[in-house]
Amino acid sequence: EPEVTQTPSHQVTQMGQEVILRCVPISNHLYFYWYRQILGQKVEFLVSFYNNEISEKSEIFDDQFSVERPDGSNFTLKIRSTKLEDSAMYFCASTLDGNTEAFFGQGTRLTVV
Amino acid sequence: GNSVTQMEGPVTLSEEAFLTINCTYTATGYPSLFWYVQYPGEGLQLLLKATKADDKGSNKGFEATYRKETTSFHLEKGSVQVSDSAVYFCALTVKAAGNKLTFGGGTRVLVKP
Repeated sequence: EPEVTQTPSHQVTQMGQEVILRCVPISNHLYFYWYRQILGQKVEFLVSFYNNEISEKSEIFDDQFSVERPDGSNFTLKIRSTKLEDSAMYFCASTLDGNTEAFFGQGTRLTVV
Repeated sequence: GNSVTQMEGPVTLSEEAFLTINCTYTATGYPSLFWYVQYPGEGLQLLLKATKADDKGSNKGFEATYRKETTSFHLEKGSVQVSDSAVYFCALTVKAAGNKLTFGGGTRVLVKP
């Protein structure tokens, strides 16, 4: 069964450092998303991406965040200068056409120290 | 805006007990409703969904009915198993909102043998 894969599963970084979280969406899917879940809180939408551009972003997705689809398979989330409050589980998701079921990856746990 | 409220956990049950997890929502527009499940160490998986009023979603013995009049989508299972221990998330998407998911806070369920 096709699946969304995320790497790494756990990343520890020092405050102020840049991190790149990687995702490989399902190959024929066209819409890609990043969500995050701070420990003990809700899963929150960060950004959606379609046709090589951001289609929607939340208030959380400020200038320190960026997304990219550098090739035909990867979808990355970059945090330019990490803060302690960026510590969270980050989930990547993809959908075939934006209307069907969203498939999620297993998540990357980011710990900023 | 859109929001989802679900009962807080943890919910601890014995095997074969009846499970209900309450979920209510507010939405601008006509939402589709979902239950996602997260088993320990895994990503979010779609458990069931309903796209219009009075639809019943069902999967793996779980059921939820889309109740527009009470803006609810409560999850039920008649006889839980230890393997149902997980975190359950109620969520909605509204087509006009770009198909991003709005999640509830999640409910941890622990089933004891």
